[in-house]
Amino acid sequence: QQQVRQSPQSLTVWEGETAILNCSYENSAFDYFPWYQQFPGEGPALLIAIRSVSDKKEDGGFTIFFNKREKNLSLHIKDSQPGDSATYFCAARPGGYKLTFGTGTSLLVDP
Amino acid sequence: EAAVTQSPRNKVTVTGGNVTLSCRQTNSHNYMYWYRQDTGHGLRLIHYSYGAGNLQIGDVPDGYKATRTTQEDFFLLLELASPSQTSLYFCASSGGFSGNTLYFGEGSRLIVV
Repeated sequence: QQQVRQSPQSLTVWEGETAILNCSYENSAFDYFPWYQQFPGEGPALLIAIRSVSDKKEDGGFTIFFNKREKNLSLHIKDSQPGDSATYFCAARPGGYKLTFGTGTSLLVDP
Repeated sequence: EAAVTQSPRNKVTVTGGNVTLSCRQTNSHNYMYWYRQDTGHGLRLIHYSYGAGNLQIGDVPDGYKATRTTQEDFFLLLELASPSQTSLYFCASSGGFSGNTLYFGEGSRLIVV
């Protein structure tokens, strides 16, 4: 049973467009939601994270929109560049417990 | 900067073989983790540890043993490897457990034929 779901599985956008990656979850106890970015041949690395007390988090061109009532969140990548092409993992954790990862979204930004 | 080093980076073994994956972190972190990454499943936690001599069960522990010999070193052991354990394995470390950033190694690709 997948507690953290991501969609789409893969996404292609043109350079300069906004890429939108979606994530939903089932466990109401989840209160911390990091996104990890993974380039081919590398391990994942933390990109941006949000806590459930917030509904938006921005860092550079990356923005998380969080909807606690609907149990979903999305990562918006503004002005996408080819260097943003990577796999993005949404993850979630209830306080003091282990992280659960989603299945990932593979993003390709076409120049 | 946080550093997690895994070895070997690539390994091929036969069914029933014995494999040890090694991980060393130089972050002075208490927590270390072993994940496997498979298409369609994302990252799944196998085992983790919060210090030397400690071991905690993750979400997919069957067929795997692990040992944390020092704060720096965490090993994953496959004593009777099966084709279903063909995967990309990642080690990670973190300073704490709740809300702390995971620092991942570069991965170890294991093929069991």
